[in-house]
Amino acid sequence: EAGVTQFPSHSVIEKGQTVTLRCDPISGHDNLYWYRRVMGKEIKFLLHFVKESKQDESGMPNNRFLAERTGGTYSTLKVQPAELEDSGVYFCASSQGHSWYEAFFGQGTRLTVV
Amino acid sequence: GENVEQHPSTLSVQEGDSAVIKCTYSDSASNYFPWYKQELGKGPQLIIDIRSNVGEKKDQRIAVTLNKTAKHFSLHITETQPEDSAVYFCAASMGSGGSNYKLTFGKGTLLTVNP
Repeated sequence: EAGVTQFPSHSVIEKGQTVTLRCDPISGHDNLYWYRRVMGKEIKFLLHFVKESKQDESGMPNNRFLAERTGGTYSTLKVQPAELEDSGVYFCASSQGHSWYEAFFGQGTRLTVV
Repeated sequence: GENVEQHPSTLSVQEGDSAVIKCTYSDSASNYFPWYKQELGKGPQLIIDIRSNVGEKKDQRIAVTLNKTAKHFSLHITETQPEDSAVYFCAASMGSGGSNYKLTFGKGTLLTVNP
């Protein structure tokens, strides 16, 4: 069974540009989460989808971040326009609807804004 | 909201020794406490978890203890091996549905096991 897959693994963009991160959860997992780790700090929650609906987006930093989950399958996280402080590693995780405890993480996307 | 403190930030041990990482949490409503191991270039991988109705859980060389009264939980690794070297994260969740599924993480502990 394929795990959680994230694309790209690395992205370097200039300040002011737009970047879109993609996450493919484990097939059949209703819950999809985005997290971010800024260098040296803890992994922080960004938002949570249940199928295609946003369940909780309380961790989204500001309106430059937009997450979508079309059809309840893969998800994208767009940053527009990117700022220097957006640099970090963005993780996606998924879990089943009835066994939400175990969240499986992807390998992360390392975003560097220069 | 929930706050999780993790100590130490770095830990170096000799192969075969034990390693202990400690975390405290602030919200007494939290009831699920997983531990993740992150190796270089990979995402966090769940290695063990404990729920609030249990005080201790073991899985081979790894054990986790939970003290709900004191609001702290610990990871114990015995007979450490070089492949145990990684960053370890503790986390807490209320886990009662809806937005409470989200995990609040500690800052991580870099464990180095010296051969």
